[in-house]
Amino acid sequence: DVKVTQSSRYLVKRTGEKVFLECVQDMDHENMFWYRQDPGLGLRLIYFSYDVKMKEKGDIPEGYSVSREKKERFSLILESASTNQTSMYLCASSSNFLLGWQSRTDTQYFGPGTRLTVL
Amino acid sequence: GQQLNQSPQSMFIQEGEDVSMNCTSSSIFNTWLWYKQDPGEGPVLLIALYKAGELTSNGRLTAQFGITRKDSFLNISASIPSDVGIYFCAGQLTSGTYKYIFGTGTRLKVLA
Repeated sequence: DVKVTQSSRYLVKRTGEKVFLECVQDMDHENMFWYRQDPGLGLRLIYFSYDVKMKEKGDIPEGYSVSREKKERFSLILESASTNQTSMYLCASSSNFLLGWQSRTDTQYFGPGTRLTVL
Repeated sequence: GQQLNQSPQSMFIQEGEDVSMNCTSSSIFNTWLWYKQDPGEGPVLLIALYKAGELTSNGRLTAQFGITRKDSFLNISASIPSDVGIYFCAGQLTSGTYKYIFGTGTRLKVLA
């Protein structure tokens, strides 16, 4: 079974603090993703990484940065937390496969989520 | 950006009833996924669909990849109380990106 773990289930931080959210996957997946989930807005992609040290901005990267120094670990960093970053943060990973001549991305597997509250 | 329209947004049903929900888009997708999320947990993959017209079952769940590649539906037969949760669809565009676009979810409540 694919296992994606996140460092904390619940986190409470103060405005202006630097926050690290860690995600680890144990299936040697190439791709890793960070989403935030808010009521009525669904899952929104913050950043993703398709290889070690590679990263790409998602739909809402402002106020966030990421780090992928090892294949199994993808960190989300809030440089200076703000109250509007209170949310559920979900990490996911996926692998690539060949379908005929096409490289395709396999299904995404999610971690249990980190509920972050910024006061 | 692209959006996935998922409906219904929520539904109350009686235990034993069948449930149907769907996702539609103006974009063409090459993969459709269906997830279930319990409160306070991450989404769990239910069914993955890779080809237009594909019909796949997982126990009481059946999902289909629409022929036009712009839609997908999920059916749950003979619902039980533990089916309660939020169901999400996700689509991967044919442009070959690594990203998936998620629907806003269908909240299912089952009345015993």
